[in-house]
Amino acid sequence: KQEVTQIPAALSVPEGENLVLNCSFTDSAIYNLQWFRQDPGKGLTSLLLIQSSQREQTSGRLNASLDKSSGRSTLYIAASQPGDSATYLCAVETSGSRLTFGEGTQLTVNP
Amino acid sequence: GAGVSQSPSNKVTEKGKDVELRCDPISGHTALYWYRQSLGQGLEFLIYFQGNSAPDKSGLPSDRFSAERTGGSVSTLTIQRTQQEDSAVYLCASSLGWGNQPQHFGDGTRLSIL
Repeated sequence: KQEVTQIPAALSVPEGENLVLNCSFTDSAIYNLQWFRQDPGKGLTSLLLIQSSQREQTSGRLNASLDKSSGRSTLYIAASQPGDSATYLCAVETSGSRLTFGEGTQLTVNP
Repeated sequence: GAGVSQSPSNKVTEKGKDVELRCDPISGHTALYWYRQSLGQGLEFLIYFQGNSAPDKSGLPSDRFSAERTGGSVSTLTIQRTQQEDSAVYLCASSLGWGNQPQHFGDGTRLSIL
């Protein structure tokens, strides 16, 4: 059974700092890995999708890497802003198009 | 609309009642997914549709849960004889096709069972 773990569970940083969120998964037989953002009371917003054959994806200040063989991914956020405050979720897609999610990292960026 | 729409946004009901949750996917998206988000369980997959067919129902927690999709568009998730442990946020997502596509989520229905 696929299990996804995210570290840390919570993170508080001053504005402007670069930061890294970590995600690990137990079964390397994945189609892709996705990073989402969730704001309180809202649904999930897709940030980045990395195909299993890819090593990284970039969007603006976000960069996500994938090491499928070791079961790890990182989300790098450059020059963090208060608007980045949210819960960040990592999910892997396995057979049957289902996503298995981690518990999330709650990020607070302080002005 | 531009995004995935779910209704109602909030639902409070008494234990033992049936509830119906609705999801309108993004126009043109053939795949539709239901997830449940609850404290202590995180986000868990319930069921997905490709067109009107549900190839994988294994995530449904009990036979009190059912879902259907008509016309390749709107989907309803029905919970019969609700229990307090059914209290959660039910999220719907859609994607252009099946597999390896970004999933776009609605804001969810917050279900509270008294």
